[in-house]
Amino acid sequence: QKEVEQDPGPLSVPEGAIVSLNCTYSNSAFQYFMWYRQYSRKGPELLMYTYSSGNKEDGRFTAQVDKSSKYISLFIRDSQPSDSATYLCPYSGGYNKLIFGAGTRLAVHP
Amino acid sequence: DAGITQSPRYKITETGRQVTLMCHQTWSHSYMFWYRQDLGHGLRLIYYSAAADITDKGEVPDGYVVSRSKTENFPLTLESATRSQTSVYFCASSEGRNSYEQYFGPGTRLTVT
Repeated sequence: QKEVEQDPGPLSVPEGAIVSLNCTYSNSAFQYFMWYRQYSRKGPELLMYTYSSGNKEDGRFTAQVDKSSKYISLFIRDSQPSDSATYLCPYSGGYNKLIFGAGTRLAVHP
Repeated sequence: DAGITQSPRYKITETGRQVTLMCHQTWSHSYMFWYRQDLGHGLRLIYYSAAADITDKGEVPDGYVVSRSKTENFPLTLESATRSQTSVYFCASSEGRNSYEQYFGPGTRLTVT
């Protein structure tokens, strides 16, 4: 079993929709949760991170962590075509290493 | 310019040739990483380095060699390129221990014919 499972997508939504991207993890020792965003033909970039359960908001983006269910989500409100990208939820492999999955590809169409 | 750069951005080479991909960062970050990205596999860690002269293997190190004589540079060498090493290679860096924010370079698209 992989330590983190992510919805494979792709996901296609109209502009203005609320988007929900989800990951589940199996290791209850995980303390640090991240979302990276990768535009086509670019390197990934850190979008949000959180240490704790609950919600963290940044503009149109909300990261939600439910440690009891081992579930993390990224919500995008009022989605824009510029949000079209692949979203990744890596986990810590120790020593600053991150283990990435394939991510969920999101397309927001006008 | 400040940041993390990779060169070349595109490279075509033949099977059996040695090729070196360069990575340079201007932040003096301690940690540096090499990933490859293939369709369906996501990003896979090849090698990483915690400091100059300290390197270690990641998930898929076979066929690759790294060195880190200076903090700012982390070259990746394919000793004898194979078609299976056709991929997009990303270099990344992060500040220090327990820093999980990695800064990625623009990538090198390598084709082995």
